[in-house]
Formats: sequence, structure tokens, C-alpha cells
Amino acid sequence: ETGVTQTPRHLVMGMTNKKSLKCEQHLGHNAMYWYKQSAKKPLELMFVYNFKEQTENNSVPSRFSPECPNSSHLFLHLHTLQPEDSALYLCASSQDGGSGGNTQYFGPGTRLTVL
Amino acid sequence: GQNIDQPTEMTATEGAIVQINCTYQTSGFNGLFWYQQHAGEAPTFLSYNVLDGLEEKGRFSSFLSRSKGYSYLLLKELQMKDSASYLCAVMDSNYQLIWGAGTKLIIKP
Repeated sequence: ETGVTQTPRHLVMGMTNKKSLKCEQHLGHNAMYWYKQSAKKPLELMFVYNFKEQTENNSVPSRFSPECPNSSHLFLHLHTLQPEDSALYLCASSQDGGSGGNTQYFGPGTRLTVL
Repeated sequence: GQNIDQPTEMTATEGAIVQINCTYQTSGFNGLFWYQQHAGEAPTFLSYNVLDGLEEKGRFSSFLSRSKGYSYLLLKELQMKDSASYLCAVMDSNYQLIWGAGTKLIIKP
């Protein structure tokens, strides 16, 4: 599945670093999502953008900062992270974010390790 | 609160049938999704149920009972490649997906 791509696939960073995760979707969708996936835990929704407008921010710490310049691209800017932020970060897209039955399609994720 | 429950791990034999259950309590209901996720890969969409009953798609079937807050995913003629985690997710009244922790399915020869 190449409809949703993410870079980098793996990232190791120190707690004082600043890095960005990138997501691009080629499906013509209007909604994009960031999720955090930790071992043996449910996917945690972090941010939702619908038609480039942020519609959801699930109490995510300010050290995570999303950016959505257009409907095809989504970024997650990271700074001063903590070791407990180590996880798989998944990007997804769907036709839109405000109606039932919209299937979300996922990218392969970025495996983040914070030292 | 909102809650999705599914077994943590299941083991089955190649060629057999396995049923993975999912129970849910959510604020509103706009459908239930099943995804498959192989280790280190993206979750991929398997099925969507919004009405009660059974949806069949090849070797995979998904069942929903809204009154019982219950769904299952049925996998027939198991193959080694079916070894993966299976994620149950419910779309709530805000059209957000609430996820279970996933069921790791191990297939033995």
C-alpha cells in the first residue's frame, strides 16, 4: 500500500533535539490523523485535520506540534521529548473526518526512540 | 468512559477456523472496523459493519450485534500469513475511532 507514506521510518533522538515527522497521502482525501501506538496499548489519537483545519487535539503535550499545509501533507514537529514518548507514530487519512463509514488508511509509521 | 475489549492473544492451527471477539461501550455508534496489522507494518482495513449481521469477504467474515455491543472477526482456512494483530475499532458520535489494544493471532503449522 503506497497511498500513505511516512518519513523517516526510524528515528532516534535525544531529549534536547528537534525533529519532524512527515506524512503524505496520495488518495485525494481531506482528513489526516496522527496516532501514537505503544506496545500492547490501543492506538491513541493525537491530532485530526479535516480540510486543513485542526478539529481534534486529544490533550497532547505541547512538545508535539502538528502542521498541515495542505490536504496531502501532514507534519509532526517534535522538541524536548521524553523517553516515554518512544513509540510508533502512525499517520492516516480518510475521505473526510466528519461522517460515518469513512475508512482510515494508514502509513507504515515512524518508529521513534527517545534517549 | 469509552472502552473496547478484545483478547490479548490467541493461537490457532493452520487450516483451522478462529473467531476473535470484540465488545465495546462507546458514546454513540457509527460503525465498527476491523484492521489487520503485521509486525512493523501499517494497519490495513479488513471490514466495516454498521448494521447487525454477518458480512462475508472471502476467508474473512465480520459479525455485529449493536444491542449486545459485540462483534467478532471469523477467519477460515487459516494460513501462516494470517499471523498478525487484529484491531477492533468503533466510530463514536464524533466520528472518531476508539481502538481496542489488538489481538495477536499466532498460527501454528
